[in-house]
Amino acid sequence: DGGITQSPKYLFRKEGQNVTLSCEQNLNHDAMYWYRQDPGQGLRLIYYSQIVNDFQKGDIAEGYSVSREKKESFPLTVTSAQKNPTAFYLCASSIVGGGQNTEAFFGQGTRLTVV
Amino acid sequence: RKEVEQDPGPFNVPEGATVAFNCTYSNSASQSFFWYRQDCRKEPKLLMSVYSSGNEDGRFTAQLNRASQYISLLIRDSKLSDSATYLCVVNGSPSGGYNKLIFGAGTRLAVHP
Repeated sequence: DGGITQSPKYLFRKEGQNVTLSCEQNLNHDAMYWYRQDPGQGLRLIYYSQIVNDFQKGDIAEGYSVSREKKESFPLTVTSAQKNPTAFYLCASSIVGGGQNTEAFFGQGTRLTVV
Repeated sequence: RKEVEQDPGPFNVPEGATVAFNCTYSNSASQSFFWYRQDCRKEPKLLMSVYSSGNEDGRFTAQLNRASQYISLLIRDSKLSDSATYLCVVNGSPSGGYNKLIFGAGTRLAVHP
């Protein structure tokens, strides 16, 4: 089955540590996204990418880094510079274009907790 | 001004009610629009795309007004299972490029017996 997979589902991190969240898709989508969601809030865009080896900062990129070395993979690193990293992280993918079939498909998310 | 703004909610309605959600967007170059549904502690899932001429899927009707930069979602004959958060999504970036999917903060709907 085609889909988008995030791992792990739950992640605990000590303060001051970097941690990398995995996101893999086999939908052959060019575009991939990372969002952060805090309790009771909407999704905020961290980074997005439309093609391999290229990515753009979203609205809240500070303290995060990404890479896009392969079409299928878009890992997100939460660095120690991110002051409040505890949140629900969602990865998504879509085709590139301006039409109505550019909806995003989401992974099941990773809940990151700083302890 | 936020790029995508939604009614704050929550909406508490009885079963069978009709409820409407509104959404405005700031980027006039936006190309495509969607409504997503998100259940508690789950990932968002596509409810429906929003077409220029308006579109209907069963009890759900979506409309787009490009001149006013406004999107709406109408739910008729509400069911208990419709209880969720509804997210308005706009595809477009200020530079006119594609594929910067921006989500509204969401409107929570609670349908009660």
